Amino acid sequence: NAGVTQTPKFQVLKTGQSMTLQCAQDMNHEYMSWYRQDPGMGLRLIHYSVGAGITDQGEVPNGYNVSRSTTEDFPLRLLSAAPSQTSVYFCASSSRDEQFFGPGTRLTVL
Amino acid sequence: AQSVTQPDIHITVSEGASLELRCNYSYGATPYLFWYVQSPGQGLQLLLKYFSGDTLVQGIKGFEAEFKRSQSSFNLRKPSVHWSDAAEYFCAVGPTGGSYIPTFGRGTSLIVHP
Repeated sequence: NAGVTQTPKFQVLKTGQSMTLQCAQDMNHEYMSWYRQDPGMGLRLIHYSVGAGITDQGEVPNGYNVSRSTTEDFPLRLLSAAPSQTSVYFCASSSRDEQFFGPGTRLTVL
Repeated sequence: AQSVTQPDIHITVSEGASLELRCNYSYGATPYLFWYVQSPGQGLQLLLKYFSGDTLVQGIKGFEAEFKRSQSSFNLRKPSVHWSDAAEYFCAVGPTGGSYIPTFGRGTSLIVHP
């Protein structure tokens, strides 16, 4: 039982490049979400999903896309990376009682 | 819209001293309330949660929190802090709309002096 896994752990991109952050969970949770964490800003919700095929925007969705083709996977796509997207990204999988977080991806955009 | 306020960005305490981290929320109904801890370079771990019932809840690592509806607060306490408690602490309120995805506060950084 691995919980929530994220890859990669670290990534450096150049402005304008695209990439996908991977997230997977093995707890059969319907709810999954992506957050970014910046100093002094706490965790801000980017996108979330309430089940396979259903996604919705959070607080800061611009510049990011998501899809949910299976219960297990919830990838986050950066369409054209910008320096403002330099951050630590966390994926989470939720039951009513608790959110389970992945270890995070530290992304730097030059 | 729901929101969470953690008024203290940083808190410094001496090892062995007591601790209280403040959390105020805005929510239209009876909230679910959570405290999470993030150690440096790590993801978040649940400390404790309140859904209903007894307003004083016990969590892991010796932490407790008290739900006060009249004050819209859910403050986190520990009677004696250990150096290993140095971390970032997040209060959260949910659910959000129809999903079990909470809204997080901006966090309080706890510094522990020996």
